[in-house]
Amino acid sequence: DGGITQSPKYLFRKEGQNVTLSCEQNLNHDAMYWYRQDPGQGLRLIYYSQIVNDFQKGDIAEGYSVSREKKESFPLTVTSAQKNPTAFYLCASGEVVNQPQHFGDGTRLSIL
Amino acid sequence: RKEVEQDPGPFNVPEGATVAFNCTYSNSASQSFFWYRQDCRKEPKLLMSVYSSGNEDGRFTAQLNRASQYISLLIRDSKLSDSATYLCVVVQGTYKYIFGTGTRLKVLA
Repeated sequence: DGGITQSPKYLFRKEGQNVTLSCEQNLNHDAMYWYRQDPGQGLRLIYYSQIVNDFQKGDIAEGYSVSREKKESFPLTVTSAQKNPTAFYLCASGEVVNQPQHFGDGTRLSIL
Repeated sequence: RKEVEQDPGPFNVPEGATVAFNCTYSNSASQSFFWYRQDCRKEPKLLMSVYSSGNEDGRFTAQLNRASQYISLLIRDSKLSDSATYLCVVVQGTYKYIFGTGTRLKVLA
């Protein structure tokens, strides 16, 4: 079945550690996005990519990094510079502009 | 003023009731609009797109009012399974998808 797969479902980060969240899609979408959701808040955009080997910062990119080496994959690294990483992270993809985004089932990141 | 605003609720309604949510947006250049449903601790799932002429999908009706800059979602004959948080999304430009904070609906037996 076509879809977006995020892994792991739950992730724990130690102080000073970088962690990487995986996002893979087989929908053949060009655009991919990473969002962060905190309780009682809307989704906030971390990074997005509209094409392979290109990505742009969103509203809250500090402390995060991404890569887009393949169309299907858009991993997110939460670096030690992100001091408050505890949140629900959602990856999304979409075909072209003004079309709805489709989401993976998310990764919950917590600090140990 | 926030770019997208929703009443957080919760809206507590009995089964079978009709309930409506509004979502206001501040940028008149916004181009596309969507409603998503999000269950507790799950990812958002597309409920429906919102077209200028209004659109209906079963018990759900979405409308756009560009003059007053809001979109609405109407749910008829509410079911227990409709209990969720409903997010509106407003699209500006080529990548900017702005999510509302959501309206929580609880349908009571």
